[in-house]
Amino acid sequence: AQKVTQAQTEISVVEKEDVTLDCVYETRDTTYYLFWYKQPPSGELVFLIRRNSFDEQNEISGRYSWNFQKSTSSFNFTITASQVVDSAVYFCALSGFNKFYFGSGTKLNVKP
Amino acid sequence: DAGVTQSPTHLIKTRGQQVTLRCSPKSGHDTVSWYQQALGQGPQFIFQYYEEEERQRGNFPDRFSGHQFPNYSSELNVNALLLGDSALYLCASSLWTGVKTDTQYFGPGTRLTVL
Repeated sequence: AQKVTQAQTEISVVEKEDVTLDCVYETRDTTYYLFWYKQPPSGELVFLIRRNSFDEQNEISGRYSWNFQKSTSSFNFTITASQVVDSAVYFCALSGFNKFYFGSGTKLNVKP
Repeated sequence: DAGVTQSPTHLIKTRGQQVTLRCSPKSGHDTVSWYQQALGQGPQFIFQYYEEEERQRGNFPDRFSGHQFPNYSSELNVNALLLGDSALYLCASSLWTGVKTDTQYFGPGTRLTVL
């Protein structure tokens, strides 16, 4: 069975704080992709990152970083020095055959 | 480079009616997927089209049907609307790989309200 769990429903931080969004996945496949998407209030899902299952190297892009650990089936997302514009719902997703499996999302509130 | 476009933006229907939503994929993409997102939930997969054929279907009734045209654009049709069909309908496009679905790019969605 394929499944993505985002246990944090909502997180509130003050601007400039660091915040980590958790993602745990389940799959029996040996090859798969993992993704993070951002959904601002406008509703459009914005692609952030794609990670192959055979590449466990962590990635950093500006204030964003991702930690992929196959041993714990986790793909966590950290925002450093958060900003108000980071406020959105963030979704983790797992690729399946011809479809994505999405988590339920984590709503991030960044207060000034 | 044009992204994924969807129309209309908003739609209000009454129970029992039928609705058609439209999607144009990102330039260069050949695969279109549709998702339903209820308020406060993650997107739920409806179906995926490639080469004008439905390739995969999620757990949705036959009231939900689709079509893909030769130019890769797609339609989602919902018949006999129920109140529970009220949701944001998202279209996503990608390149067909034949195995795991690669990066999907999403449109702005169509907000459907059923009264």
